[in-house]
Amino acid sequence: GESVGLHLPTLSVQEGDNSIINCAYSNSASDYFIWYKQESGKGPQFIIDIRSNMDKRQGQRVTVLLNKTVKHLSLQIAATQPGDSAVYFCAERSQGAGGTSYGKLTFGQGTILTVHP
Amino acid sequence: IAGITQAPTSQILAAGRRMTLRCTQDMRHNAMYWYRQDLGLGLRLIHYSNTAGTTGKGEVPDGYSVSRANTDDFPLTLASAVPSQTSVYFCASSARQGEQPQHFGDGTRLSIL
Repeated sequence: GESVGLHLPTLSVQEGDNSIINCAYSNSASDYFIWYKQESGKGPQFIIDIRSNMDKRQGQRVTVLLNKTVKHLSLQIAATQPGDSAVYFCAERSQGAGGTSYGKLTFGQGTILTVHP
Repeated sequence: IAGITQAPTSQILAAGRRMTLRCTQDMRHNAMYWYRQDLGLGLRLIHYSNTAGTTGKGEVPDGYSVSRANTDDFPLTLASAVPSQTSVYFCASSARQGEQPQHFGDGTRLSIL
């Protein structure tokens, strides 16, 4: 069935280093991928997304890479800061099926990023 | 600050009781969503609404109901709470239907005893 998983449950980095968070997905029909950040006690926060017809997209200090050949998604955070410490999870969207009119999002479990000053 | 407001922030509820979780947004977003977040299972969609007056079932709708009388409010009701509904509930919204949720509330932590 559909699943989105993460390779590493935890990642610790030093402030100023670059961070790379990985995600594997299984549904080759997914058309959209999203990264969210969730701080303790807060709701998820949209970071960046990428369509399946792209292989790279850049935002402010973040870059998402999509490798459809191996069904792999990564989030790169440049010059990681203590405020980046949070749980990061990816989600894939498959088109609505069976009469649904929403793009079904399947969420991964998340990677805990800890940034040490 | 524009966003989503959820209430209550947390609640302990006896099994069998009825409970309504409130969600209000001030961004005039068309689409709204209710998710539950459980350890090891990630976020799962309960119900959604593409626009005021319409609702639809998500992945795990059983035991829950929603209404969308206007654009801003999207309450989630547990008619008769059961312990398996212990979870953290998030309301979310997006400007247009079919888009990924762009904004989330800070959640309601619900414990059913």
